[in-house]
Amino acid sequence: AQSVTQLDSHVSVSEGTPVLLRCNYSSSYSPSLFWYVQHPNKGLQLLLKYTSAATLVKGINGFEAEFKKSETSFHLTKPSAHMSDAAEYFCVVSETNDYKLSFGAGTTVTVRA
Amino acid sequence: DTAVSQTPKYLVTQMGNDKSIKCEQNLGHDTMYWYKQDSKKFLKIMFSYNNKELIINETVPNRFSPKSPDKAHLNLHINSLELGDSAVYFCASSPLAGAGETQYFGPGTRLLVL
Repeated sequence: AQSVTQLDSHVSVSEGTPVLLRCNYSSSYSPSLFWYVQHPNKGLQLLLKYTSAATLVKGINGFEAEFKKSETSFHLTKPSAHMSDAAEYFCVVSETNDYKLSFGAGTTVTVRA
Repeated sequence: DTAVSQTPKYLVTQMGNDKSIKCEQNLGHDTMYWYKQDSKKFLKIMFSYNNKELIINETVPNRFSPKSPDKAHLNLHINSLELGDSAVYFCASSPLAGAGETQYFGPGTRLLVL
């Protein structure tokens, strides 16, 4: 069975400083991992995904994530936060033999001016 | 050109009523999904159809019935609405039904049952 734990329910950063959102996963098989972003009252948008290619994955809007199998982690980072990054972020896993997505509980990011 | 669209965006109704939410995708995808997002923002899959065939049917009350008239449409009908059905319902689609497939989400339908 697959599952995802987002270690921080809320992250607050100042504009221009780095953002780190932590995600650990549990998977019986080779997982596919995703980060989605949800802006207030909007649908979900894919930021990036890992599917057993390069372990460092670059996404949209300057985000990237690193797949670390030994640590079962897929943390999301951005070097410099922008006000428009304020949103809810979801770490998501699916297994090789299962196309269902399992969502983490989400991390709310606030960006201070 | 909205890729995945849902109607209505907002739905306010009384307990006991029956309502439907419609979803359409113009991406040419084979697979469509319904998710429920609760008040704590937790997302859980409800149903999935691949080429009009039901492939995922999670533990959902049988008051919820999906219908896929064709590959581009997946509707959700809810009978005898209850207070606990209040949530945001998201439709999504993916090219195929496979692990690693990116799912594209609609804007959501905000359902409030009074």
